[in-house]
Amino acid sequence: SSELTQDPAVSVALGQTVRITCQGDSLRSYYASWYQQKPGQAPVLVIYGKNNRPSGIPDRFSGSSSGNTASLTITGAQAEDEADYYCNSRDSSGNHEEVFGGGTKLTVL
Amino acid sequence: QLQLQESGPGLVKPSETLSLTCTVSGGSISSSSYYWGWIRQPPGKGLEWIGSIYYSGSTYYNPSLKSRVTISVDTSKNQFSLKLSSVTAADTAVYYCARIKIGFGPDYWGQGTLVTVSS
Repeated sequence: SSELTQDPAVSVALGQTVRITCQGDSLRSYYASWYQQKPGQAPVLVIYGKNNRPSGIPDRFSGSSSGNTASLTITGAQAEDEADYYCNSRDSSGNHEEVFGGGTKLTVL
Repeated sequence: QLQLQESGPGLVKPSETLSLTCTVSGGSISSSSYYWGWIRQPPGKGLEWIGSIYYSGSTYYNPSLKSRVTISVDTSKNQFSLKLSSVTAADTAVYYCARIKIGFGPDYWGQGTLVTVSS
């Protein structure tokens, strides 16, 4: 099965822009989805597809993809954006299997 | 508003079978646009996809867990279920059920339920 690789931790100054990346072979064929998870809470979908935000997700969250790398960008990071972020895609086998990245801990300084 | 709710024992003994049910409300489990899945998260660790099921009963499992996992669906009750056999302490985790939009991944999640494997 496929693997998705994320940096374990990233930090950003309040109000600045940060990019969180996700690498994997499956991303050459499938879009990544991105999830925000705060302590003690279930993950929340923030980006899916080419660059789509579910209702209620601020427009400072955006997604992009190139080759085997997907990126989540937060433009003007806020204190409440401090959380773990996970990428997800369908497995490259095409067997309707899902795969998650290991997660990135975002610290807002 | 779609809601998913996990239910089942919070404590399971080693070597026994973990059983959880997810009840879906605010929408039909028989929608052709979605799968329904189970995802777990060991304490302090990342997310792991366990498996998914389509309303027709087609199942897809994580290869690393496939020999121990069974997922089933009951459309009459708008529920789907997880059974994980021969559990060990390594199976201790928060278990989430989720709706998986075909081609886009999980979009709605339950609140999660902690299952501890201990004697």
